[in-house]
Amino acid sequence: AQSVTQLGSHVSVSEGALVLLRCNYSSSVPPYLFWYVQYPNQGLQLLLKYTTGATLVKGINGFEAEFKKSETSFHLTKPSAHMSDAAEYFCAVFNQAGTALIFGKGTTLSVSS
Amino acid sequence: DTAVSQTPKYLVTQMGNDKSIKCEQNLGHDTMYWYKQDSKKFLKIMFSYNNKELIINETVPNRFSPKSPDKAHLNLHINSLELGDSAVYFCASSPGTSRVDTQYFGPGTRLTVL
Repeated sequence: AQSVTQLGSHVSVSEGALVLLRCNYSSSVPPYLFWYVQYPNQGLQLLLKYTTGATLVKGINGFEAEFKKSETSFHLTKPSAHMSDAAEYFCAVFNQAGTALIFGKGTTLSVSS
Repeated sequence: DTAVSQTPKYLVTQMGNDKSIKCEQNLGHDTMYWYKQDSKKFLKIMFSYNNKELIINETVPNRFSPKSPDKAHLNLHINSLELGDSAVYFCASSPGTSRVDTQYFGPGTRLTVL
């Protein structure tokens, strides 16, 4: 069965510091992986996705993620945090049938000045 | 131009009432979804429609009934509302059912059952 686990429900960084949000997946088929961001009282917005091909995926707002099959991981990084990055971040994988997303429990990112 | 819109944004109602949430997408997509986000922010798929046909119906109580009058609309009707139905409901759409298709989410409807 497909699943994702996000390590750390809350991550706090200083402005300008590296952002690292962790996601591990379990999949019985080649995984299609996603990171979504949810700003307060808003819907989800796609940051980036991995389908096939290059394992380092670049997304919007300076975020990137690397697919590591050997580690079953898809961690999200950003070199320098900005105050506007404070939000809820969700890792997701397609279910086995490829018909719906299965989300992790989310990680709240706080950025302090 | 809002790609995926939902109405209402907030819905407060009493237990036992019947209510509907509407969703419309102007992206020309074939597939639409309803997700439920609980108080712990956990998101779970409820329903999915492709070209007005139901393709996913997770273990959702039959008090919840989706209706898709056309490809651009997927409404959610809830009968006999219960306290546990309080959540944020998100509508989403995607071009099709391919795994490479991105799902675009609406702003959510916060349902509070008193």
